[in-house]
Amino acid sequence: TAGITQAPTSQILAAGRSMTLRCTQDMRHNAMYWYRQDLGLGLRLIHYSNTAGTTGKGEVPDGYSVSRANTDDFPLTLASAVPSQTSVYFCASSYTETGELFFGEGSRLTVL
Amino acid sequence: GQNIDQPTEMTATEGAIVQINCTYQTSGFNGLFWYQQHAGEAPTFLSYNVLDGLEEKGRFSSFLSRSKGYSYLLLKELQMKDSASYLCAVRDNDYKLSFGAGTTVTVRA
Repeated sequence: TAGITQAPTSQILAAGRSMTLRCTQDMRHNAMYWYRQDLGLGLRLIHYSNTAGTTGKGEVPDGYSVSRANTDDFPLTLASAVPSQTSVYFCASSYTETGELFFGEGSRLTVL
Repeated sequence: GQNIDQPTEMTATEGAIVQINCTYQTSGFNGLFWYQQHAGEAPTFLSYNVLDGLEEKGRFSSFLSRSKGYSYLLLKELQMKDSASYLCAVRDNDYKLSFGAGTTVTVRA
């Protein structure tokens, strides 16, 4: 069973370049989330979507954009990467009624 | 917004008990979660509390007091594989989860 899949697993990116992190889930969860995890800061919410066609801003949305065209996919785009966006990015999904998040394996992004 | 505090590190001996405290101040509350995260891996769900009291699941228990903005995760009969980070997370009324910075637990033989 796939669950929730992220790609790429890791990436090195030059500053100023654009990048899209992909996230797909096959659990038919209505809600999806993007978090970044940095040492000492824990998981911080970037953007979220409670249902297909809607998105919302989290705690640290600047420099990132998302779309939710369908239930399964929730890509995260960095339009012009900066070194401070070096982080591990986790995609997650859930049913809003239960709230339990299921996480992808993470995407490690390094911006030089 | 959410303000969630938990200790940075804890160390305990194999077979012992460890209690990880979490305090929170929130603009809305719709449940408290605990997750476990091993180094280099994704977080995995451990427990969920929405009402006051104790929830027990095997060697792990979680307690919630909504009036005090306080929760704890109790790990009993510690095993080496329990060495990990433990994340406290609060869900708000928009179904978003905010996480504390995590508590790294080291289990020593």
